Amino acid sequence: GQQLNQSPQSMFIQEGEDVSMNCTSSSIFNTWLWYKQDPGEGPVLLIALYKAGELTSNGRLTAQFGITRKDSFLNISASIPSDVGIYFCAGQLGNTPLVFGKGTRLSVIA
Amino acid sequence: DVKVTQSSRYLVKRTGEKVFLECVQDMDHENMFWYRQDPGLGLRLIYFSYDVKMKEKGDIPEGYSVSREKKERFSLILESASTNQTSMYLCASRPQAGRVKLYNEQFFGPGTRLTVL
Repeated sequence: GQQLNQSPQSMFIQEGEDVSMNCTSSSIFNTWLWYKQDPGEGPVLLIALYKAGELTSNGRLTAQFGITRKDSFLNISASIPSDVGIYFCAGQLGNTPLVFGKGTRLSVIA
Repeated sequence: DVKVTQSSRYLVKRTGEKVFLECVQDMDHENMFWYRQDPGLGLRLIYFSYDVKMKEKGDIPEGYSVSREKKERFSLILESASTNQTSMYLCASRPQAGRVKLYNEQFFGPGTRLTVL
């Protein structure tokens, strides 16, 4: 099945640094979602985006729905140790199943 | 809060056994999904269901079947477990498109880590 191109695959950053990750697709979507997964747990929804160009924040997290509808990015500002985990992007068109990226593994060094 | 629960967090089975993984959601969602997650392969869709008694094959349905007899419950069945089905299994649900404002938000359960020996 289709998968999104998510980058980077992994990141090692110092506590307090900002983080940026993105997803691109060859197809357009009408919804972009960002999830975080802690070790041994299921993914938890962070942000949902519904309109091209939309910029949405959730605390220190900011995500944008690309204007072409083929990409999205997630920024985390002032990272803290509990930001560690795997971040997934997902795109959707209509009522079809989500298409996922392979994830960005984030490690934060205190 | 939306709650998706899975019957077991950890499960160990032997090759050839029939395995049932149960998923229940309490938000009256029409759509339910089963994924497996393996290192380096991301989330892969096994089966999904848009309504009671309905099922659709995902990307990797071989070796699996599903049952949706009630709206809130979606079961994944491994008819004869094999070692290559050792994985993390994730269930998810979401409302039908258009029913509510945030119709595309999909929620996951905590996962079942299945080991087949």
